[in-house]
Amino acid sequence: GESVGLHLPTLSVQEGDNSIINCAYSNSASDYFIWYKQESGKGPQFIIDIRSNMDKRQGQRVTVLLNKTVKHLSLQIAATQPGDSAVYFCAENMGGGGADGLTFGKGTHLIIQP
Amino acid sequence: KAGVTQTPRYLIKTRGQQVTLSCSPISGHRSVSWYQQTPGQGLQFLFEYFSETQRNKGNFPGRFSGRQFSNSRSEMNVSTLELGDSALYLCASRVKGSDEQYFGPGTRLTVT
Repeated sequence: GESVGLHLPTLSVQEGDNSIINCAYSNSASDYFIWYKQESGKGPQFIIDIRSNMDKRQGQRVTVLLNKTVKHLSLQIAATQPGDSAVYFCAENMGGGGADGLTFGKGTHLIIQP
Repeated sequence: KAGVTQTPRYLIKTRGQQVTLSCSPISGHRSVSWYQQTPGQGLQFLFEYFSETQRNKGNFPGRFSGRQFSNSRSEMNVSTLELGDSALYLCASRVKGSDEQYFGPGTRLTVT
């Protein structure tokens, strides 16, 4: 089946800088996209989501951008902090609260340099 | 409100054995999904249960099965364990009609 992928397995940024994590998806029928953060030894933690009828959504220090033309999703983290160090996954499904499981990308490990 | 809980957190089994993992969803959440996470394959969807019925299933062999109880708690079972079944098994719950899934801490299964 189609899958969601991430461009980089590892991203290293300086503390205080902005981070941008990218994700490419291939299922044009996907309606719902989510970013999760997973710290070592823990389950994925919901960060932010976006539906296909939107291009941008902002949360606290995070912004998700969706470009349906090129099937690209990105997560921007402003003023990166040491606590942001984790593996970030994008995920997608058909939305609508249905029974389809989430399809996850491989993940990007965000490393914060002091 | 308590989050998703999973038991046990760690488990070591031998090839050929079977294992049962348990998941308690967030109170009020009636949908429970299971995922397998490995370094090679990443996070993969196993199945989802709602109101004691399996609604969807991922691409896993029949050795992987699950069930859900009337209190929404769910169990998954893996029979005839193989080395490749070593993984972190994650459970997620959500409210029916919502796409937002909340994950538990996972059960780390090691098959030797």
